[in-house]
Amino acid sequence: AQSVTQLGSHVSVSEGALVLLRCNYSSSVPPYLFWYVQYPNQGLQLLLKYTTGATLVKGINGFEAEFKKSETSFHLTKPSAHMSDAAEYFCAVTRAQKLVFGQGTRLTINP
Amino acid sequence: DTGVSQNPRHKITKRGQNVTFRCDPISEHNRLYWYRQTLGQGPEFLTYFQNEAQLEKSRLLSDRFSAERPKGSFSTLEIQRTEQGDSAMYLCASSLAGTGNLEETQYFGPGTRLLVL
Repeated sequence: AQSVTQLGSHVSVSEGALVLLRCNYSSSVPPYLFWYVQYPNQGLQLLLKYTTGATLVKGINGFEAEFKKSETSFHLTKPSAHMSDAAEYFCAVTRAQKLVFGQGTRLTINP
Repeated sequence: DTGVSQNPRHKITKRGQNVTFRCDPISEHNRLYWYRQTLGQGPEFLTYFQNEAQLEKSRLLSDRFSAERPKGSFSTLEIQRTEQGDSAMYLCASSLAGTGNLEETQYFGPGTRLLVL
């Protein structure tokens, strides 16, 4: 069965610093992987997704993620954090059409 | 271009009352999903429709919950005899699925936040 683990429920970085949010998955079949962002009291917005092809995926707002099959990972990165990046981030994998989410990582940006 | 919309955005009710939420998907999308998100957790799947057919229901969806998508467009989620444990954010998502389209992306609405007193 597919599942997702996000390491670190809270991550805090300084403005301008590298953002790294970790996601590991388990899947019995080639996975489709997603990162969503959720701002306070709002729904989820798609940041990026991996289905097939290039393992380095670029998304919106300067984020990117790399699919590493050998490590069963799909970590999210951004070279330089901005105050507007403060939000909750969810990694997800598809299982029989539905999404299975990790527990989320709250990203805080320090000025 | 309108996204997924949900109404109401917030609902406060007393325990034992019935509530109904509405979701309007992106117009050409044939799949519609309901998820529940409790505080500090990721969303959890509840049920989904392809057109008007309800194809799967989670074990989270007790007998007090019912969802419909009567004409394959908007959907409603009703909770009868609400309990305090039903307090959560209820999220709707829609997608376009077709033959050979394994890359469907789900687009989420803003959610309905339910508080049961």
